[in-house]
Amino acid sequence: QKEVEQNSGPLSVPEGAIASLNCTYSDRVSQSFFWYRQYSGKSPELIMSIYSNGDKEDGRFTAQLNKASQYVSLLIRDSQPSDSATYLCAVNARIQGAQKLVFGQGTRLTINP
Amino acid sequence: KAGVTQTPRYLIKTRGQQVTLSCSPISGHRSVSWYQQTPGQGLQFLFEYFSETQRNKGNFPGRFSGRQFSNSRSEMNVSTLELGDSALYLCASSPRDRGYSGNTIYFGEGSWLTVV
Repeated sequence: QKEVEQNSGPLSVPEGAIASLNCTYSDRVSQSFFWYRQYSGKSPELIMSIYSNGDKEDGRFTAQLNKASQYVSLLIRDSQPSDSATYLCAVNARIQGAQKLVFGQGTRLTINP
Repeated sequence: KAGVTQTPRYLIKTRGQQVTLSCSPISGHRSVSWYQQTPGQGLQFLFEYFSETQRNKGNFPGRFSGRQFSNSRSEMNVSTLELGDSALYLCASSPRDRGYSGNTIYFGEGSWLTVV
């Protein structure tokens, strides 16, 4: 099992709808979770971080964390064509005795006008 | 506040050569991490440096090495380049101190390496 798993997509959502991106992780003691957005040919940029169970909202973005079920999700409300990108979930995990930030493969999101 | 700066942005090398990539972290950040990104493998952790010491290392062969200087700037080196080393190499910095606290990492724009 991979440490961090995401559906690679592509996920296609109409403009104005809610885009829902999901991520599961395997390390039960992980405490820090991040969502990054990466446009084609660009480097990842941070969208959200979340550390506690529940929801965290920032503008059109909401991150949801459920440690018991080991999943974290990202909701994008009122999706815009500019939201079309690959979204990377990142989780801190202890691997071979060392803390590392592990990334999922990313979900490619396309917002259709 | 300036972001993470990586040089060079693009380079082409021949198999068997070696390459050195440079990274200047955000001012005040002491932790520098390196990642390799390829379409097939995604974003993979190479290593992390803090206060000139390598703290974590990913599962890459010994051809991949790095170092950090006293001003927190970092370099990574890949020797005996192979075609499979063609990738986007990303440097990320973090204010993270010795106790891991889940500090956010911020990426530079990356160095695109093509091995021919």
